[in-house]
Amino acid sequence: GEDVEQSLFLSVREGDSSVINCTYTDSSSTYLYWYKQEPGAGLQLLTYIFSNMDMKQDQRLTVLLNKKDKHLSLRIADTQTGDSAIYFCAESITGGGNKLTFGTGTQLKVEL
Amino acid sequence: EPEVTQTPSHQVTQMGQEVILRCVPISNHLYFYWYRQILGQKVEFLVSFYNNEISEKSEIFDDQFSVERPDGSNFTLKIRSTKLEDSAMYFCASSVQAREKLFFGSGTQLSVL
Repeated sequence: GEDVEQSLFLSVREGDSSVINCTYTDSSSTYLYWYKQEPGAGLQLLTYIFSNMDMKQDQRLTVLLNKKDKHLSLRIADTQTGDSAIYFCAESITGGGNKLTFGTGTQLKVEL
Repeated sequence: EPEVTQTPSHQVTQMGQEVILRCVPISNHLYFYWYRQILGQKVEFLVSFYNNEISEKSEIFDDQFSVERPDGSNFTLKIRSTKLEDSAMYFCASSVQAREKLFFGSGTQLSVL
């Protein structure tokens, strides 16, 4: 079955870049997503990448996909205190409709 | 920007009681979903719904759960007889098409006492 793993915690200084990593097991992934969850809030879609792409950039966010290693990363440039949140990666698989499998979430803490 | 709205934001109920969680998906979306997140655990898929019927459900979604689109705007999740282990944050989501990106609501925190 599908499994998605992330490291639990990341701490960075304001202004630095953050890199949040994710590994997944199902090679038939179609879309891979990054969601952000602030305390008490819902899941905010940050960005997504189709599985035939290697990279996607959207303002401060860069998503890298290594399909061979089944590794996905999210880079946040110039990290701000407002970026402090839990970041979830998720995958949807071919034929799976929009049934997403989520990772455990990475708690990003941005320090001054 | 259009958003998925969920009510209530918090629901407290006694074990064995029925609860209905409500969602208003984005208006032009055709696919609807429920996910849940037990405290400290992963977000888990419960059910997807399209064209007034369930298109897929997980093994969590047993006979105690049901979903309904009672009118053109609402999408509900009913738990018939709540158990302590049903305590979780329940997220509704919607998408335009089956493989389009999902938009999530802010969730309903359900506490079963």
